[in-house]
Amino acid sequence: GAVVSQHPSWVICKSGTSVKIECRSLDFQATTMFWYRQFPKQSLMLMATSNEGSKATYEQGVEKDKFLINHASLTLSTLTVTSAHPEDSSFYICSANRLAGGVYNEQFFGPGTRLTVL
Amino acid sequence: GQQLNQSPQSMFIQEGEDVSMNCTSSSIFNTWLWYKQDPGEGPVLLIALYKAGELTSNGRLTAQFGITRKDSFLNISASIPSDVGIYFCAGREGAYNTDKLIFGTGTRLQVFP
Repeated sequence: GAVVSQHPSWVICKSGTSVKIECRSLDFQATTMFWYRQFPKQSLMLMATSNEGSKATYEQGVEKDKFLINHASLTLSTLTVTSAHPEDSSFYICSANRLAGGVYNEQFFGPGTRLTVL
Repeated sequence: GQQLNQSPQSMFIQEGEDVSMNCTSSSIFNTWLWYKQDPGEGPVLLIALYKAGELTSNGRLTAQFGITRKDSFLNISASIPSDVGIYFCAGREGAYNTDKLIFGTGTRLQVFP
């Protein structure tokens, strides 16, 4: 199967610090990864599309300088929340498309990272 | 950001009952997907639909891609306790699988024994 992992699974940090979240495709290569944010009892909201070797494409209203995305390899994308504040507390989920996965190649989701900013 | 309208928002049913939920959009989609999310986990793909009118089953789950390409429904037959969770529809306007998805507002399903 296609497995996507995230690390850490949860993190608590002080306001003003930066937090890095990793997203890895464990058994496949992914040219495209996506980062979502989900607030309690709400849907998934796409933050950005991450493409290997190029700059991420951010959705409207998402601050690119605050949410830094680096897609350094075909199996790893990182999201860094810079100068985190309590309002950034959320569930962050990544997903990945399998490279050359064929017609029915859909996004596989990671287990999510719970960020709590004190 | 854009979201799809999903209904009902929540359902409380008895084990063995059938369930139906739907999703509507103001724009046309090329792909409709249905995901299930358990608490504290990422969504898991249940069914993918690629053609208008397409009806696809996955065990007790059946989903259809609306003819207008602006809606989709998901049915769950003979519900069981492990069906509990949040069901999301997702649509893709783009033609490629690597194009972004837009998620519905979710249907929270609770099954009582």
